Amino acid sequence: GENVEQHPSTLSVQEGDSAVIKCTYSDSASNYFPWYKQELGKRPQLIIDIRSNVGEKKDQRIAVTLNKTAKHFSLHITETQPEDSAVYFCAALNTNAGKSTFGDGTTLTVKP
Amino acid sequence: SAVISQKPSRDICQRGTSLTIQCQVDSQVTMMFWYRQQPGQSLTLIATANQGSEATYESGFVIDKFPISRPNLTFSTLTVSNMSPEDSSIYLCSVVDRANTEAFFGQGTRLTVV
Repeated sequence: GENVEQHPSTLSVQEGDSAVIKCTYSDSASNYFPWYKQELGKRPQLIIDIRSNVGEKKDQRIAVTLNKTAKHFSLHITETQPEDSAVYFCAALNTNAGKSTFGDGTTLTVKP
Repeated sequence: SAVISQKPSRDICQRGTSLTIQCQVDSQVTMMFWYRQQPGQSLTLIATANQGSEATYESGFVIDKFPISRPNLTFSTLTVSNMSPEDSSIYLCSVVDRANTEAFFGQGTRLTVV
């Protein structure tokens, strides 16, 4: 089955700095790579995603890159704000199966 | 998008008892997923619930411990049976959109076993 590794497990940055979280996956059949943000006590919510036929996608301050050959993808957050503090999960799935495999999560703390 | 109503939101249970968690979705979905999330940890898939057939369990999870029902395309239940303190966790149900991409989650059930 799919195996997703996520690094780092914790990340602390100063407000205004950039944050990068990296994930690797093992199953070459995975073709969809979402990122979820989970605030304390709340459910995970999708913040950005990328499909296997795309190398990069950007939405305002967040971007995701995918290297299909190396089987890794990354989340980039620029100009971080305190409200970006949360746990971020990457995931990989094969859209033919619909089952997501999640990374272990990264706790991001943005210090004002 | 999908809106999922999950209940109860939390419960404190005695060891040896069972708790049934319910999830109601506002649209018909083929698959529903049940996850467990230990505090500060990732989402671990327990099983996939399909309407009209038995649930598919992941390695380490068995039907006797986590029986699942899926009577129709909008509803599912997960029972945590014969509970022990090690079952204390957050349990979440989830569905994916029509393209089998974005996952939507219930608000979670925080279970404490004493």
